[in-house]
Amino acid sequence: DAGVIQSPRHEVTEMGQEVTLRCKPISGHDYLFWYRQTMMRGLELLIYFNNNVPIDDSGMPEDRFSAKMPNASFSTLKIQPSEPRDSAVYFCASSRGLEGNEKLFFGSGTQLSVL
Amino acid sequence: DAKTTQPPSMDCAEGRAANLPCNHSTISGNEYVYWYRQIHSQGPQYIIHGLKNNETNEMASLIITEDRKSSTLILPHATLRDTAVYYCIVYFGNEKLTFGTGTRLTIIP
Repeated sequence: DAGVIQSPRHEVTEMGQEVTLRCKPISGHDYLFWYRQTMMRGLELLIYFNNNVPIDDSGMPEDRFSAKMPNASFSTLKIQPSEPRDSAVYFCASSRGLEGNEKLFFGSGTQLSVL
Repeated sequence: DAKTTQPPSMDCAEGRAANLPCNHSTISGNEYVYWYRQIHSQGPQYIIHGLKNNETNEMASLIITEDRKSSTLILPHATLRDTAVYYCIVYFGNEKLTFGTGTRLTIIP
């Protein structure tokens, strides 16, 4: 089991550029989550999917952010255009379910720096 | 609207047991207590969870008080690699898993 795989590990870009973060969940997991972590706000849930369908995107900060899950093994989080305040670590996580005794498995994250 | 209260930081000597407290006085009967940790620059890692009974696995033990209003995570023989932020989370299910600020545990050589 390779775990949740995220790419790239680090991304440095200039303000205004499009950024795409990628995630491969654990096989067989029906739920996928995108979190963002900053010093000021801690870990924030941005959006989550169930069986490739977005269920709750209330944490997405604004329209510049979009997430897709075209199939069970791949998801993207896109920021267009990027801004310096988007600099953060973005984590993807997956789980088998949302029942009370299910656990989340996190990827190693993407460190995003927008200059 | 935090469901849990944890001390912001703790120190523990290497080789000793680390006991991390968590208060969750408003926990309801069907909410689980979860512990995750985050080692610097890594994603959060699941440690253990429980509902009513004490639990033990290869990583840690979880002691839940009889009234379920508080719990303690025990790392029996702390090593330097246990230095991390530890999150105590109360979770019913079918909702978003929300992380608080956690306890920053530093293991001292």
